[in-house]
Amino acid sequence: EVQLVESGGDLVQPGGSLRLSCAVSGFSISNYWMGWVRLAPGKGLEWVANIEQDGTQTYYVDSVKGRFTISRDNAKNSLFLQLNSLRAEDTAVYYCATVVVVAGAITYFDSWGQGTLVTVSS
Amino acid sequence: SYVVTQPPSVSVAPGQTARITCGGSMIGGYSVHWYHQKPGQAPVLVVYDDSDRPSGIPERFSGSNSGNTATLTITRVEAGDEADYYCQVWDSTTYHVVFGGGTKLTVL
Repeated sequence: EVQLVESGGDLVQPGGSLRLSCAVSGFSISNYWMGWVRLAPGKGLEWVANIEQDGTQTYYVDSVKGRFTISRDNAKNSLFLQLNSLRAEDTAVYYCATVVVVAGAITYFDSWGQGTLVTVSS
Repeated sequence: SYVVTQPPSVSVAPGQTARITCGGSMIGGYSVHWYHQKPGQAPVLVVYDDSDRPSGIPERFSGSNSGNTATLTITRVEAGDEADYYCQVWDSTTYHVVFGGGTKLTVL
């Protein structure tokens, strides 16, 4: 059974840092692009970042570029998101997901975790 | 970055047909994917590549994409279809993924 389980969400003060993890079971992530998507309270889904299979290519939404870092450990079948310089507007549930890529083109998110809540507040 | 626009809400009576649009400049040239999300749950893919359905998604869900508008159509709407629906595309020039703002489907 495919499972993605996020962890690491917490209440953090503005300017603080967090590291989110996504532990995957049921398949090897080494064959897949992976990504993070967030859902802020009262807002819609927002793509955050993607990373290709060996971690050499990473892409970010403009609002988090330079503050967030996506990474992966294929040996541990895990995905990570380092969140630095957090702002109130980063408050959201963060989901990890597999990214389906066809002929070099990113298509859609296939399997999703249940999410982990990040709250940025003083 | 590419922008896609959805109506904030759509309401439909049970048994009727709901149509949720996703507008964007020449969106017909993009592959459009649709998800639904219920409160407290993860998003679920309901249509991919404009009109294909993942296994387990009822035939009542279908999609189309042409010109400046992509459409998710749900026939014979049921109370359980009530959810937020999102369209999604990939901008190949920036490698960014773009979601629409979401449409809340209300079953009257």
